[in-house]
Amino acid sequence: NAGVMQNPRHLVRRRGQEARLRCSPMKGHSHVYWYRQLPEEGLKFMVYLQKENIIDESGMPKERFSAEFPKEGPSILRIQQVVRGDSAAYFCASSPGRGANTEAFFGQGTRLTVV
Amino acid sequence: AQTVTQSQPEMSVQEAETVTLSCTYDTSESNYYLFWYKQPPSRQMILVIRQEAYKQQNATENRFSVNFQKAAKSFSLKISDSQLGDTAMYFCASGGGRDDKIIFGKGTRLHILP
Repeated sequence: NAGVMQNPRHLVRRRGQEARLRCSPMKGHSHVYWYRQLPEEGLKFMVYLQKENIIDESGMPKERFSAEFPKEGPSILRIQQVVRGDSAAYFCASSPGRGANTEAFFGQGTRLTVV
Repeated sequence: AQTVTQSQPEMSVQEAETVTLSCTYDTSESNYYLFWYKQPPSRQMILVIRQEAYKQQNATENRFSVNFQKAAKSFSLKISDSQLGDTAMYFCASGGGRDDKIIFGKGTRLHILP
């Protein structure tokens, strides 16, 4: 049973381009969380999704950021018209059930660099 | 809203010593969970230990144990017989309840010295 898979591991984008980050949850997990980690900072919650539903997007910036978790395929975090401040590590976590009563397993993250 | 505070940005201890990392939290939830995650240089987030708030007994995992003081909203991590491989960032986190998401503190960078 493979762990949470994130790709790419490293992504470089020029200002104004789009960034697409992918997360394949562990087999059997239907809950996905996205976090952003700035250098020397903790993980900041961005969005919580279940299959085809956004449950909580209170941590998502109002513009340029969107997330989806389709019925088939990985969860996608999409950042349009990237700016230098978007440079960070983006982590995805998955769990089999709702809430922290089940353990969240993390992927290895995608490091986005905007040049 | 939940908040998690780690007041020690960085710590260093000698190998084999015991070290305690501090964490305080605030939540309005009655049923919640607390976690300590480890992030080594590989950046992988690894769950070290978890505590259900309704359990009075402190959680223990081998060399790792917690001191959970519910009234004080304190959740410290004790690492006994520290090893070089314990060198990492350690994040305290709180989650559960209606919100369901896990909120992280800013982390403590722990150095185990040979």
